[in-house]
Order: sequence, then C-alpha cells, then structure tokens
Amino acid sequence: LAKTTQPISMDSYEGQEVNITCSHNNIATNDYITWYQQFPSQGPRFIIQGYKTKVTNEVASLFIPADRKSSTLSLPRVSLSDTAVYYCLVGFTGGGNKLTFGTGTQLKVEL
Amino acid sequence: NAGVMQNPRHLVRRRGQEARLRCSPMKGHSHVYWYRQLPEEGLKFMVYLQKENIIDESGMPKERFSAEFPKEGPSILRIQQVVRGDSAAYFCASSLREAGGPDTQYFGPGTRLTVL
Repeated sequence: LAKTTQPISMDSYEGQEVNITCSHNNIATNDYITWYQQFPSQGPRFIIQGYKTKVTNEVASLFIPADRKSSTLSLPRVSLSDTAVYYCLVGFTGGGNKLTFGTGTQLKVEL
Repeated sequence: NAGVMQNPRHLVRRRGQEARLRCSPMKGHSHVYWYRQLPEEGLKFMVYLQKENIIDESGMPKERFSAEFPKEGPSILRIQQVVRGDSAAYFCASSLREAGGPDTQYFGPGTRLTVL
C-alpha cells in the first residue's frame, strides 16, 4: 500500500478555509484516495474519496493533481466542531483493502 | 440506515480472562474488517472477513486472538487470556465491495478494552 505523508498538526480559526495536503508519491494506478475524520473516543468517519481531479460533497472538497502524487482536503469555513484528526489513505479498490492509517493531521480550530 | 454497530462500547477484564467483541456491519455489507488503535497512534489492521471466511488475518497476533463472521449474527473478535498490552480501542469496519467501485469502509464506534 502506498505510504502517505501529511502534517502532524494544523491550527485554524472559525470561519476560515483549511487545506490539508497529503503526499503519496508511490500511489498505484488502481488506488483511490480517501479521507477520514476521527474525534476522540470515536471511530473514523468517512469524509470524501476520489481518484483524480476534483471531488466535492456537502462536507469537503478533494483536489487531486494530474500526477496523483498528492491530494488536498479542503474544509470550507471550519468551526470548533471540526477539531479532530484527519487521515489520508490510499488503497486499491479490490482484493481486501487493508487500510493503513498513519498518525494523521491533528486540526485544532479556535475562536 | 443504521451504521456499523459494536458492543460493548467499554469492556473491562482482568489479566487471564477472555474478551469478546461484537460487530454488526451496515445493512447489505458482507465484508468486515477489524482494527486496533493504541493511544496517540493510528489504526492498525488486524483481520478481514467475509461471511464464514477469514480472508486476511495478517495483522492479527498468532496466539490468543481469533475472529469469526458466521452466516448468521455479528462478527466476533475473541481475545483469550488477555494481558495489559491488549488494552486498546478495537474498531470494526464494513464495506459493500461493489464490483468496479472503491471499497469504502465505514467504521463503528469502537470497543474500548481495559485490562486490569
């Protein structure tokens, strides 16, 4: 599975846009990029998933350049409740997708 | 549509006892994954099961740990003769595994095991 690298922590203020970039230089042709959010004492929550270009849902946007060696999770107008750990993962869609979680990015949102 | 359910949410055991963790996947999902998370760390894959089959148990310790996903009922992760080092949060995820699509895994709330 492709190894990912993302910042250990980020700080922001309410109402700002937050962009978290993840590097995955060894991403394979069949790999999808998936982001999860985890609050303390809870299970990871699926945020968004994409293969290339841009994906947007009601929660976030995911930007993936043409070479797919990185991706950026964009959270518009964050609030205090967005304080959490965000994980970037890449994996093959078939054949038993063992997710490999790194330490993620701890996002702290303040007033 | 109920999400992935796990019980119990908290489990306390003394050293040497057995721990049984249960996971009911989302409706329609037949693929179950178990992960373990130690404090301040990311989740670590343990085992991947389909109904009545263990597909990949490469992340599971060879001794004391076992998992099953019977035809009827929840998936069970069993830890025999627990030790203090087994204290962790155990998460279950399920997926649909539709052909040609991404295998998105959805996680349960976890079971927090404390070994005294």
